[in-house]
Amino acid sequence: QQQVKQSPQSLIVQKGGISIINCAYENTAFDYFPWYQQFPGKGPALLIAIRPDVSEKKEGRFTISFNKSAKQFSLHIMDSQPGDSATYFCAAKDSGTYKYIFGTGTRLKVLA
Amino acid sequence: EAGVAQSPRYKIIEKRQSVAFWCNPISGHATLYWYQQILGQGPKLLIQFQNNGVVDDSQLPKDRFSAERLKGVDSTLKIQPAKLEDSAVYLCASSSTTDTQYFGPGTRLTVL
Repeated sequence: QQQVKQSPQSLIVQKGGISIINCAYENTAFDYFPWYQQFPGKGPALLIAIRPDVSEKKEGRFTISFNKSAKQFSLHIMDSQPGDSATYFCAAKDSGTYKYIFGTGTRLKVLA
Repeated sequence: EAGVAQSPRYKIIEKRQSVAFWCNPISGHATLYWYQQILGQGPKLLIQFQNNGVVDDSQLPKDRFSAERLKGVDSTLKIQPAKLEDSAVYLCASSSTTDTQYFGPGTRLTVL
């Protein structure tokens, strides 16, 4: 299966709160899992990425948690800020074809 | 380093007309991707090049879409003839290794 399922579709969080976005996959050939942030009118920008041999990666306020056995990974945004309001996409790269499969996106709105 | 460049940024055409998009990847990046992003959805891969060879074009509507990457650097994506459902943002991305891919700003196409 080449799908990556992402939830929720939209998320509203108060300033200072924690935003959590989840993704699930089935293809065990995926070996790289990036998260992209996209602002209106802009291309997606790499936010943070993880490989399946690591269970967690943190960069500033952004953390990826990875559960290899469950084939799930999630993005946590700590101390969410209004400037974080954007659409977030998870993705997975197939180790054989180098093809990226994207989730359907989560529109995050952080209230001031 | 300079990012992925795309032009034009916006294009409005009538249905059945033709249109071409141009992409200049980051210098030295061997892999180039063209994606179609319909409003509210994640990017969908249209074609992937490794140098000037096609790796994956399984989702490219070949009856109307074509793409080439001459000399393994710049790439053009063409639609001829365009349909209403081709209205989308066309994103170009490149990567130097098998992992991190960087996106350009995209070309927003409106077909009337």
